[in-house]
Amino acid sequence: DAGVIQSPRHEVTEMGQEVTLRCKPISGHDYLFWYRQTMMRGLELLIYFNNNVPIDDSGMPEDRFSAKMPNASFSTLKIQPSEPRDSAVYFCASSTYKGGAQYFGPGTRLLVL
Amino acid sequence: AQKITQTQPGMFVQEKEAVTLDCTYDTSDQSYGLFWYKQPSSGEMIFLIYQGSYDEQNATEGRYSLNFQKARKSANLVISASQLGDSAMYFCAMTAASGNTPLVFGKGTRLSVIA
Repeated sequence: DAGVIQSPRHEVTEMGQEVTLRCKPISGHDYLFWYRQTMMRGLELLIYFNNNVPIDDSGMPEDRFSAKMPNASFSTLKIQPSEPRDSAVYFCASSTYKGGAQYFGPGTRLLVL
Repeated sequence: AQKITQTQPGMFVQEKEAVTLDCTYDTSDQSYGLFWYKQPSSGEMIFLIYQGSYDEQNATEGRYSLNFQKARKSANLVISASQLGDSAMYFCAMTAASGNTPLVFGKGTRLSVIA
């Protein structure tokens, strides 16, 4: 079975540009999570969805960040405009239920210059 | 609210030896789940092992076992017969098994296996 798929794997952009990260969860998983990982702050939960509906976005740092899940097999995390402090690895994960084991994608390494 | 503490920022172990990575947790829930993840230098997060709070036996998955001591609120990961490929960051995580909360992660322990 295919795991969680993320694209792109690496993204280098300039400050002020729009960045869109994409995720395809494991088929049949009802929960989807977006995380950000930095050396300073560790692994932070940004937002999670249940059955395509955003449940908790309290971890989204600013209005510059937005996430959507138009269907069960696709989600996006958008940063507009991007800033250098957004540089991090962004993970998408999915699970069959909220408290269950989460399976992570390979991550997107974002560098904002 | 749940909290995970991993007090060992870094650990070294000789190849073929066993190593224990510490994890303590805090929760007011009676039912909860404990997890360990591995993050190698390539960056992916790999689910290793799960322990439910009501499980009477310690969880095992191949060379990984979870030393669960409920009264002490500890969930240490034991890796037997360490291999060079075990060098990675290891994260302990937990959630309320009632399903009301997503995973809460610790800050991680970096394990280095020495030949």
